[in-house]
Amino acid sequence: EPEVTQTPSHQVTQMGQEVILRCVPISNHLYFYWYRQILGQKVEFLVSFYNNEISEKSEIFDDQFSVERPDGSNFTLKIRSTKLEDSAMYFCASSESGYGSYEQYFGPGTRLTVT
Amino acid sequence: AQTVTQSQPEMSVQEAETVTLSCTYDTSESNYYLFWYKQPPSRQMILVIRQEAYKQQNATENRFSVNFQKAAKSFSLKISDSQLGDTAMYFCASQDNDMRFGAGTRLTVKP
Repeated sequence: EPEVTQTPSHQVTQMGQEVILRCVPISNHLYFYWYRQILGQKVEFLVSFYNNEISEKSEIFDDQFSVERPDGSNFTLKIRSTKLEDSAMYFCASSESGYGSYEQYFGPGTRLTVT
Repeated sequence: AQTVTQSQPEMSVQEAETVTLSCTYDTSESNYYLFWYKQPPSRQMILVIRQEAYKQQNATENRFSVNFQKAAKSFSLKISDSQLGDTAMYFCASQDNDMRFGAGTRLTVKP
């Protein structure tokens, strides 16, 4: 069964550094998402992406965040200057369509630790 | 703004019994979707069940069913014949233009 993959599984970085989290969505999916889950808290929507542009973003997704689909398979989340509070689990998801009738398939997540 | 509320931080149930997890939501959209996701200790997000708001019939998926009360904006999850493998965090979610999650309910199934 096709699945969403994410690399790395765990990333440790120092405050102020840039990090890039990588995702490979399911190949025939057209919509891509990033979510964040701070330890012990709920999953929070960050951004959705379709047709090479952001379609929705939350209030969390400020100027330090950016997303990109650099090639036909990868979908990346960049955090320009990491802060301690960016430490969280980051989930990528993809779906065939942007409508809720199409399931969002989640990747296993990348645990980001900012020290 | 879309909000999702899960008022039960933790619940427990004996193996083979039935448990209901509560969820209320609020959205200004007329067309939306509701979901329950399971997150085991591995932290993988697994879709349990989906409900389309325009459908009155409650969704059912094997041992999992929902009680969707649209007027009350309530979307509870019933797990029948609970199994040890059902132990996990359960998140309710609502999707109109984007997906919002509740704070989660930690369910423990006891042998």
